[in-house]
Amino acid sequence: TQLLEQSPQFLSIQEGENLTVYCNSSSVFSSLQWYRQEPGEGPVLLVTVVTGGEVKKLKRLTFQFGDARKDSSLHITAAQPGDTGLYLCAGEITGNQFYFGTGTSLTVIP
Amino acid sequence: DSGVTQTPKHLITATGQRVTLRCSPRSGDLSVYWYQQSLDQGLQFLIQYYNGEERAKGNILERFSAQQFPDLHSELNLSSLELGDSALYFCASSVVGTGGPNTGELFFGEGSRLTVL
Repeated sequence: TQLLEQSPQFLSIQEGENLTVYCNSSSVFSSLQWYRQEPGEGPVLLVTVVTGGEVKKLKRLTFQFGDARKDSSLHITAAQPGDTGLYLCAGEITGNQFYFGTGTSLTVIP
Repeated sequence: DSGVTQTPKHLITATGQRVTLRCSPRSGDLSVYWYQQSLDQGLQFLIQYYNGEERAKGNILERFSAQQFPDLHSELNLSSLELGDSALYFCASSVVGTGGPNTGELFFGEGSRLTVL
């Protein structure tokens, strides 16, 4: 069983559309991270959020940490084919243990 | 290039066999994590080592074991292999516990793809 559930599991959209990916848990995390993984490679960190309610923006990507530090969302504006990949959230348990979500596979069609 | 090196990249073996996966962390990183990624289970945390000592255990089977050596490289040993052990095995390293701006970021290797026939 996964500590973190992501939705949707698969997402296929047209270039230029907006999308939101959700990461939910019943556990409280000291921080939450989002990673992107491309085929044949390991996940690469996009952002870390630490404070409940925190919002961070990375160009067209907006990340939010829930007030109770149990959930997070990733919003992509005007998606581009280069955004295609597997998006993973990871919650940090005290002691620098990281548990990953189930993943969201995003395909952006030109 | 994350700076984390994993070998071998690909490994094909038979059921019942034993294999060893190796990981060299980024220079200066004291913490090493092992994860298993399969299609139906996502990225599963197996075990974490910090400066040579086991720090946390996740969903690691008793048939699996790991260790971190004085030079900080780590090995994951998988024995009595079963078909269901076929997966990508990732190693990640991190600077842990310093309180600095990059504390907690995991740097992943490219993974070792294990196929058990």
